[in-house]
Amino acid sequence: QKEVEQDPGPLSVPEGAIVSLNCTYSNSAFQYFMWYRQYSRKGPELLMYTYSSGNKEDGRFTAQVDKSSKYISLFIRDSQPSDSATYLCAMSEDSNYQLIWGAGTKLIIKP
Amino acid sequence: DGGITQSPKYLFRKEGQNVTLSCEQNLNHDAMYWYRQDPGQGLRLIYYSQIVNDFQKGDIAEGYSVSREKKESFPLTVTSAQKNPTAFYLCASSVPGGSGELFFGEGSRLTVL
Repeated sequence: QKEVEQDPGPLSVPEGAIVSLNCTYSNSAFQYFMWYRQYSRKGPELLMYTYSSGNKEDGRFTAQVDKSSKYISLFIRDSQPSDSATYLCAMSEDSNYQLIWGAGTKLIIKP
Repeated sequence: DGGITQSPKYLFRKEGQNVTLSCEQNLNHDAMYWYRQDPGQGLRLIYYSQIVNDFQKGDIAEGYSVSREKKESFPLTVTSAQKNPTAFYLCASSVPGGSGELFFGEGSRLTVL
């Protein structure tokens, strides 16, 4: 079993829909949780960063961490075609530890 | 503008040849990393370096080599010993002790014919 599980998709939704992307993990020591966005043939860029449990909101994006369920989510409101990309979750026990990555979910927003 | 520059963007090589991928950063970051990305898989760490003249193997170091002679540069050599070298290679850097955020280059796509 992988340490971090993420459905690779693709996930296809109409423009304007609310998107929910998720990762599950097995290591209860993870405390740092990140979401990266990767456009085709580009490097990933950090989208959201959360420490420990709780929610974090940034514009149309909300990141949630549920440590009791070992489950993290990224919500995108009012989705746009420009949100079409692969979304990778990543997590670590400590900021000095190596990140453990999910496989990435390919998201397609249809105009 | 600060950032990470990887070159070449696309590279074709024959089987049995060594190839070197370049990674240069002007972010003044101490730590640098090389990842490999294959379809349907997460990023896998090849090598990382926390400081000049020092580097450590990641999860899939076999068939790869690196050097860190300058803070700004962290080249990766894909040797003929790497059994399946065709992949997308990503270089990244970070500030140790910070949030752990990685800053990535645009990647190098290596195809071995």
